[in-house]
Amino acid sequence: KAGVTQTPRYLIKTRGQQVTLSCSPISGHRSVSWYQQTPGQGLQFLFEYFSETQRNKGNFPGRFSGRQFSNSRSEMNVSTLELGDSALYLCASSLGSGVGISGSPLHFGNGTRLTVT
Amino acid sequence: LAKTTQPISMDSYEGQEVNITCSHNNIATNDYITWYQQFPSQGPRFIIQGYKTKVTNEVASLFIPADRKSSTLSLPRVSLSDTAVYYCLVGVSSGGSYIPTFGRGTSLIVHP
Repeated sequence: KAGVTQTPRYLIKTRGQQVTLSCSPISGHRSVSWYQQTPGQGLQFLFEYFSETQRNKGNFPGRFSGRQFSNSRSEMNVSTLELGDSALYLCASSLGSGVGISGSPLHFGNGTRLTVT
Repeated sequence: LAKTTQPISMDSYEGQEVNITCSHNNIATNDYITWYQQFPSQGPRFIIQGYKTKVTNEVASLFIPADRKSSTLSLPRVSLSDTAVYYCLVGVSSGGSYIPTFGRGTSLIVHP
């Protein structure tokens, strides 16, 4: 079974631009969640989608948004990029909805490394 | 918001048992405790998950006390390939919201 696929692997953007990251979950997984990983803040939860609906959201500004399609694929968008948005963005899929509550382990992709200059 | 805390780093030798503890005072009532392993340039990988007491699988054990305010990941007989960063993940309830929260990670180095 294919794992979680994230594209692109690397991105370089300029301050003020916007960016869209893509995530294809494991076949059959309907939950997709997104995380930001930085040396300073560690791994932080952004949001979770299940059946095309946002189920939970972390403490990030509204510049961070996402969506999920009917085939469970998900995209994350960051508008008006800031230098501090430079990070590794990880996507994870799982069978059940509710990160941590459902009992369904997360399966992570290898991330998209975003650099904002 | 309450923190989920774990040691920054640990050193061990091949063949030894390693125990990594995570403190999570504000864990949500219905939440599982999950541990992940991460290698450089890869996403985290699931190791083990539990709700209470003790859970064991083919690679690790997880000990959870009755109050669930901490958990201990136990890796028996580590090898060089276990050198990685280990994260605990719990849900933290705060002000009516529920946020899945990772610890800052424990960098484990296994020496020959």
